[in-house]
Amino acid sequence: DIQMTQSPSSLSASVGDRVTITCRASQSISSYLNWYQQKPGKAPQLLIYAASSLQSGVPSRFSGSGSGTDFTLTISSLQPEDFATYYCQQSYSSPRTFGQGTKVEIK
Amino acid sequence: QVQLQQSGPGLVKPSLTLSLTCAISGDSVSSNSAAWSWIRQSPSRGLEWLGRTYYKSKWYNDYAVSVKSRITIKPDTSKNQFSLQLNSVTPEDTAVYYCARVDWSSGWQPFDYWGQGTLVTVSS
Repeated sequence: DIQMTQSPSSLSASVGDRVTITCRASQSISSYLNWYQQKPGKAPQLLIYAASSLQSGVPSRFSGSGSGTDFTLTISSLQPEDFATYYCQQSYSSPRTFGQGTKVEIK
Repeated sequence: QVQLQQSGPGLVKPSLTLSLTCAISGDSVSSNSAAWSWIRQSPSRGLEWLGRTYYKSKWYNDYAVSVKSRITIKPDTSKNQFSLQLNSVTPEDTAVYYCARVDWSSGWQPFDYWGQGTLVTVSS
């Protein structure tokens, strides 16, 4: 199985801050990397697919980059509604696997 | 707009079978450009993909090794839904269970639509 490792596990940030979350795969997954946002009591919601493609309806302050084993999710200017937990997920091979999550908290 | 509506009991006794259903609207369980998955989430295991069903001229299933001996995912074309059965459950199967669609149309296969989630507790 491909292991997905996110860092940091949590971070504190203020509204307006630029936030970066990283995800590393245990082997190359090309660009088969997706990012999700999850708020308490809700299902995860797709933000970015194919490492850098913004899902329809997702604000442009979210962006993704990377290929191979190293990937980044960036929020350019953190908004109050962005405080949540973020997960990466690989769709390169079965079984699909997720990172452990990064919780973005209010500073 | 695709919507997935989950149903099923929230409490299951140990050694019995967990059964959940996911009703699809806005797409077809027989679609050639989607797969239909079950995923669970618990504090100890995080988000864990359990398996999927999909149609490509015939029906296919694909399961996680961790549950392969106990799991069945079945499509129901008459009701446009799919189901999860997990046999011989233990307290370690306590989790929030989600159904989700895998979008194949772009080739990148993200989980683009999710059900609302069902908390299933395994307890006597």
